Amino acid sequence: LAKTTQPISMDSYEGQEVNITCSHNNIATNDYITWYQQFPSQGPRFIIQGYKTKVTNEVASLFIPADRKSSTLSLPRVSLSDTAVYYCLVSNSGGYQKVTFGIGTKLQVIP
Amino acid sequence: KAGVTQTPRYLIKTRGQQVTLSCSPISGHRSVSWYQQTPGQGLQFLFEYFSETQRNKGNFPGRFSGRQFSNSRSEMNVSTLELGDSALYLCASSLDGQAVYGYTFGSGTRLTVV
Repeated sequence: LAKTTQPISMDSYEGQEVNITCSHNNIATNDYITWYQQFPSQGPRFIIQGYKTKVTNEVASLFIPADRKSSTLSLPRVSLSDTAVYYCLVSNSGGYQKVTFGIGTKLQVIP
Repeated sequence: KAGVTQTPRYLIKTRGQQVTLSCSPISGHRSVSWYQQTPGQGLQFLFEYFSETQRNKGNFPGRFSGRQFSNSRSEMNVSTLELGDSALYLCASSLDGQAVYGYTFGSGTRLTVV
């Protein structure tokens, strides 16, 4: 599995757009990129997944450049309730693989 | 459909005791993974079960064990509890364990060892 690197923490003011970038230099051709969000004392929850270019849903957007060596999770106009830890995962459908979530990025939204 | 159910939600145990945590996955899901989360450590993989078989194990001592039943429900057991075992224990349910298809996590069991 491709190793991922993301910032440990970020701060943002309410109403701003937040971009969290994840590096995955060794991503394989059939790998997908998935992001999870975790609130304190809860389990992580799936928020978005993509393979290339751009994916958007009601929660976030995911931007993946052509070389796919990184991806950026974009949260539009964050609110205090977006304060959470965000994890980036890389995986494929080639069978079961042990997945590590790492430490993630702790986003603190400031009023 | 019902989500992933973990019981109990909170637990306080004394050093040296043992504890059993339970996880009921989403109906139809055959894979259950267990994670330990302590402050600043992220999610540490414990083990994964699929169709009653342990397929993978993390780097935890043998005091940590688990099993899965024919209805896919899973239990994990920690024997001879230590203070350092205090953590949030999370289980993740998935169809076949492949991360690409997404995991659904339970709310976790908060274990405090005193």
